[in-house]
Amino acid sequence: NAGVTQTPKFQVLKTGQSMTLQCAQDMNHNSMYWYRQDPGMGLRLIYYSASEGTTDKGEVPNGYNVSRLNKREFSLRLESAAPSQTSVYFCASSGLTGGRTEAFFGQGTRLTVV
Amino acid sequence: AQSVTQLGSHVSVSEGALVLLRCNYSSSVPPYLFWYVQYPNQGLQLLLKYTTGATLVKGINGFEAEFKKSETSFHLTKPSAHMSDAAEYFCAVTVTTSGTYKYIFGTGTRLKVLA
Repeated sequence: NAGVTQTPKFQVLKTGQSMTLQCAQDMNHNSMYWYRQDPGMGLRLIYYSASEGTTDKGEVPNGYNVSRLNKREFSLRLESAAPSQTSVYFCASSGLTGGRTEAFFGQGTRLTVV
Repeated sequence: AQSVTQLGSHVSVSEGALVLLRCNYSSSVPPYLFWYVQYPNQGLQLLLKYTTGATLVKGINGFEAEFKKSETSFHLTKPSAHMSDAAEYFCAVTVTTSGTYKYIFGTGTRLKVLA
């Protein structure tokens, strides 16, 4: 019962470096999401994908790009990392029957940009 | 725009005491509401959800929440706190944009349980 799997779990980047956070779900969900979590700010939506082939910006998309590679996988890319992107990143997925179903979350990626 | 507000970023209770975590929502349509729990260094886990029907919703680990439309609230309660309840709790609502759905979270409440 893997659910939502994120890799890596931890990462340290230097300012200006790039990296891709990977996310895969095995629940046959249509919708996938990327959030960042910062102290006192809860979870803020970066990008989401309602179905394979579609992506939409969330609340804080600047500095990020996403790819919905197939129904299972949804990656988040930082092209040029900045210290302000130090955060914990969560991927989630949902079956979303009219918004009534819950989202399932991965274990998170803790990213530090120095 | 639909949103949720959690009152109190930190709440402390004694073991065995009542737990009350507050969540108010703003929505022009009937909302779908959720409570999640996050233990240290882990992802979020669903506690309970309200979609339609019964306004008193029971969840895991003895938690429950009551949907009160007149007060636009969805507060989370547990009659008797246990040390293992120490965690961060998030209220969330689903929002529709052009037929697609996304989850909007509150800023969270960190619960501390005192021995």
